[in-house]
Amino acid sequence: EAGVAQSPRYKIIEKRQSVAFWCNPISGHATLYWYQQILGQGPKLLIQFQNNGVVDDSQLPKDRFSAERLKGVDSTLKIQPAKLEDSAVYLCASSSGVRGKVGHEQFFGPGTRLTVL
Amino acid sequence: SQQGEEDPQALSIQEGENATMNCSYKTSINNLQWYRQNSGRGLVHLILIRSNEREKHSGRLRVTLDTSKKSSSLLITASRAADTASYFCATGRGNAGNMLTFGGGTRLMVKP
Repeated sequence: EAGVAQSPRYKIIEKRQSVAFWCNPISGHATLYWYQQILGQGPKLLIQFQNNGVVDDSQLPKDRFSAERLKGVDSTLKIQPAKLEDSAVYLCASSSGVRGKVGHEQFFGPGTRLTVL
Repeated sequence: SQQGEEDPQALSIQEGENATMNCSYKTSINNLQWYRQNSGRGLVHLILIRSNEREKHSGRLRVTLDTSKKSSSLLITASRAADTASYFCATGRGNAGNMLTFGGGTRLMVKP
C-alpha cells in the first residue's frame, strides 16, 4: 500500500514570497490533515478535511494560509506571504475515518521542510 | 497551545533496559495516541487507547491511561538501539476523536 505522498521535500524562500505544498493521501482515506511542526516541538494541527469539506481550521492563520482539497483526494496548502516564523516542517496525514469508531490511526507523509530567509 | 506534556523531555538508556515516558493533559479526551518520529521513517503511529480503556499492549509496548489523573504512560521493554527516536503523545478530541493535539515529545536515546 502506497503511503502519503508530499512534495516538494524541501523549499527555501525569502520572506513575503508565496509557497505551496502538495499532498496525496492514502487511497480511500476520507480524512486529511495538515500539521506544522516547528523544530523541537510536536506537530500542530492546522486544518482537517473530511472528503472535500473542512472539519476544523481553527488553528490555521487565515490571513496568510489557505488550503483546499479538490475532489476529496489531493490537497494543497499555501502560504502567502511567508514570514520568518513559518519556517517549519509541514506534515500531511490521512486516516480512514471508519464510521462509528472513535479515534483513528493517522498515517503521515515525509513532510516538506520550509525555510524562510 | 499543546495540551499534552511529555516527561521526561530527554531520556538516555542502555540497550536491554526499559524506557518509561509519561504524558499529562488538561482537558477531557476520547482517545490518546502515541507516535514515534525519527529521521529515517518520519512520524509513525504506535498505539491508540480509548478513554474507556486502561491499558493496551502491542509487542514490546505497554500503554496505560488514567483519565482521573489525566495522564498516560508508554513503556518500552527490552529497548533496542533502533528505538532511538522522539516519542509524542497526542490527545484526540472532536466527534470522531481525530483532532489530535500533540505534546512536545520525549527524545529517547538507546545506547548499544
